Amino acid sequence: DIQMTQSPSTLSASVGDRVTITCRASQSISHWLAWYQQKPGKAPKLLIYKASSLESGVPSRFSGSGSGTEFTLTIISLQPDDFATYYCQHYNTYPYTFGQGTKLEIK
Amino acid sequence: EVQLVESGGGLIQPGGSLRLSCAASGFIVSDNYMSWVRQAPGKGLEWVSIIYDGGSTYYADSVEGRFTISRDNSENTLYLQMNSLRAEDTAVYYCVRDFCDSSGYHCAFDIWGQGTMVTVSS
Repeated sequence: DIQMTQSPSTLSASVGDRVTITCRASQSISHWLAWYQQKPGKAPKLLIYKASSLESGVPSRFSGSGSGTEFTLTIISLQPDDFATYYCQHYNTYPYTFGQGTKLEIK
Repeated sequence: EVQLVESGGGLIQPGGSLRLSCAASGFIVSDNYMSWVRQAPGKGLEWVSIIYDGGSTYYADSVEGRFTISRDNSENTLYLQMNSLRAEDTAVYYCVRDFCDSSGYHCAFDIWGQGTMVTVSS
């Protein structure tokens, strides 16, 4: 199975900051990577697919990049609604696997 | 409105069985690939199973032989039959719609239900 590793596990930031979360795959997954946002008690929400494509309705302050084994999610000008846990997920081959999550906290 | 609503979770003893349901609205289940994803309390996400539009199914190794994914086209509903349940199956189970590339081989998850909690404990 392909292992997905996110860093950092926790990130403290302030409203207005720019933050970057990294996701590394244990082998190449081309650009078959998605990013999800999850708030406590809620289902995950798709933000980014195919590494850099923004899901409809997602604010443009979210962006994704990368290919192969290294990927990043960047959020510019953090808003109060952005404080949540973020997961990456590969969908190159089954079984699809997720990163362990990055909790974005208010500093 | 495109929506998925799960039901059927609850407390079950180890070795028991449970069937989860997922009612879809706003789209046709049988025209899409559909999956189940679970999340153990305080943990990350784990893909469990998929059913393709043609009816083929596939499972994670952790549930292979114990869980069965199916659908009722007339009810536009997805199911997950869970047998021989173990403590490690305790999780919130999410029904999700697969969002696939043109080849159909690569699918993210674009629509999620609210989840249903399954607790396996004596």
